[in-house]
Amino acid sequence: ELKVEQNPLFLSMQEGKNYTIYCNYSTTSDRLYWYRQDPGKSLESLFVLLSNGAVKQEGRLMASLDTKARLSTLHITAAVHDLSATYFCAVDGYGGSQGNLIFGKGTKLSVKP
Amino acid sequence: GAGVSQSPSNKVTEKGKDVELRCDPISGHTALYWYRQSLGQGLEFLIYFQGNSAPDKSGLPSDRFSAERTGGSVSTLTIQRTQQEDSAVYLCASSLAPGLGTDTQYFGPGTRLTVL
Repeated sequence: ELKVEQNPLFLSMQEGKNYTIYCNYSTTSDRLYWYRQDPGKSLESLFVLLSNGAVKQEGRLMASLDTKARLSTLHITAAVHDLSATYFCAVDGYGGSQGNLIFGKGTKLSVKP
Repeated sequence: GAGVSQSPSNKVTEKGKDVELRCDPISGHTALYWYRQSLGQGLEFLIYFQGNSAPDKSGLPSDRFSAERTGGSVSTLTIQRTQQEDSAVYLCASSLAPGLGTDTQYFGPGTRLTVL
């Protein structure tokens, strides 16, 4: 059974600080996704990581993928309040051919002034 | 163009009633997915459509749940004889082509279902 584990599940940060969210998955997968969800809202796609060593950056967020370690990280640089949300990682349930996603439980990030 | 839309946004029903949830995917997207989000179970995959066919129904929790898609577009998720444990947010997503490496699922706003 494919499992996706995120940690931490809750993260309270001060503005201006850096932190990393970790996403481990239990079996091989071609693609890894990061999504953001604001309270009461749907999921917004942040990154799609396709290969070992892939790194993508958007603003203060940077995601990377190590397929050998089955690990992805989402690094937050100099956090600001607007980044407060829940972040989910997900992998393809069938190695990329059909795309049903298996999600982690999410990391609820709260950035305090 | 427009994103994924879902209706209704909220649905309150009594235990034992049937409900229908609707999803309009992004125009041109061949793949459509239903997920369920609840506090206890997180985000769970329910069913996947490619065109009007459902090659993967593995996530449907019981035979009270069914879904169809017509014209390669709109999909309806039906829950019969609703139970309180069916209370959740039901999310629909669509994507252009699941086989492509860069394919991304775009999610709708969800339907919040409350079973009293």
